[in-house]
Amino acid sequence: KNEVEQSPQNLTAQEGEFITINCSYSVGISALHWLQQHPGGGIVSLFMLSSGKKKHGRLIATINIQEKHSSLHITASHPRDSAVYICAVRKGEYGNKLVFGAGTILRVKS
Amino acid sequence: DVKVTQSSRYLVKRTGEKVFLECVQDMDHENMFWYRQDPGLGLRLIYFSYDVKMKEKGDIPEGYSVSREKKERFSLILESASTNQTSMYLCASSPYPSTSGISETQYFGPGTRLLVL
Repeated sequence: KNEVEQSPQNLTAQEGEFITINCSYSVGISALHWLQQHPGGGIVSLFMLSSGKKKHGRLIATINIQEKHSSLHITASHPRDSAVYICAVRKGEYGNKLVFGAGTILRVKS
Repeated sequence: DVKVTQSSRYLVKRTGEKVFLECVQDMDHENMFWYRQDPGLGLRLIYFSYDVKMKEKGDIPEGYSVSREKKERFSLILESASTNQTSMYLCASSPYPSTSGISETQYFGPGTRLLVL
């Protein structure tokens, strides 16, 4: 079983819909990252969380340390949000390495 | 802005060739990473380096080696390319964790899509 599991693997939404992507992990972590990868390959870091909730524009990320679960929400989705969203965790207290989920492919139709 | 650049966006090589993938970052980061990304498997760490001339194996180092002679540059070497090394290769860098132990985000390059025939 992978240490980081994402769901769903694929998601198609209509423009304007509220979107949730989930991430569960099975190891102790010091931080969790949400990343976005557009077609063409470039990866951008969206959030780094160690507790609670963060918001940036239409994106909201939450983490529940006790339940080992994080969610990424997109409000008022737009076709330009179409991308692969990747959850990654930093294992242990001072680790430099990330462990990645397989990613969620999001397509937002207009 | 942090910039991480990779030498090629697309590369086609033949089985058995020696392949060099170069990565350069301009933010004086201590840590640099090489990943490969395959459908359904996510990103997997090949090697990382936490200082000049220092390296550590990641999860899938077999068939690869690395070189870090200068702080800003981290090279991935495929000694004898094979078809199962066809993949997207991503480089990343990050500063060393702060003294508080809070981990830092990684900054990624645009990726190199390698095809081995």
